[in-house]
Amino acid sequence: DAGVIQSPRHEVTEMGQEVTLRCKPISGHNSLFWYRQTMMRGLELLIYFNNNVPIDDSGMPEDRFSAKMPNASFSTLKIQPSEPRDSAVYFCASSPPTDRVNEQYFGPGTRLTVT
Amino acid sequence: GDSVTQMEGPVTLSEEAFLTINCTYTATGYPSLFWYVQYPGEGLQLLLKATKADDKGSNKGFEATYRKETTSFHLEKGSVQVSDSAVYFCALNSGGYQKVTFGTGTKLQVIP
Repeated sequence: DAGVIQSPRHEVTEMGQEVTLRCKPISGHNSLFWYRQTMMRGLELLIYFNNNVPIDDSGMPEDRFSAKMPNASFSTLKIQPSEPRDSAVYFCASSPPTDRVNEQYFGPGTRLTVT
Repeated sequence: GDSVTQMEGPVTLSEEAFLTINCTYTATGYPSLFWYVQYPGEGLQLLLKATKADDKGSNKGFEATYRKETTSFHLEKGSVQVSDSAVYFCALNSGGYQKVTFGTGTKLQVIP
């Protein structure tokens, strides 16, 4: 089975440029999460969706960050304009629908470097 | 709000040593508890979980017991291997939508 797919795996861009990160959750999963991981701040939840609807975006750091989930099989995280402090590894994770507590399945991450 | 506190790392052990990584939590209601592991260059993956008090989660020789009275979920392994070198995250879920609150992670390095 294919796991969570993220693209690109690595992105290097210059300050001020727009960056778009992509995620394809596991088929059948209805919850999707975007995280950011840095040495300084650890793992931070940015936003999560349930049935394609954003539930909580309180972790989105600034208006420069936006996320969409146009359908059940695709989500994007966009940074415009990007800044050097956005450099981090960005993870997407998904969970299946269940009335029991279940695990999150993480993608391999996108390593973003903003110069 | 919910929070998870785990011991600072890094933890360095010799192969075959006993491992304990402490984790305590604060949460409303009756959370489910997890340990996730992150190997270098990879995303997190579930190691084990426990959904109610006194449950013991176990996997790959690791185990942790849900202690409601001490609000703890310490991770243990009797004999670590070099391949166990990774970052370990304690986490909890106390609400809907599968949202999980993670600790800061503890890096484990096992030397031959």
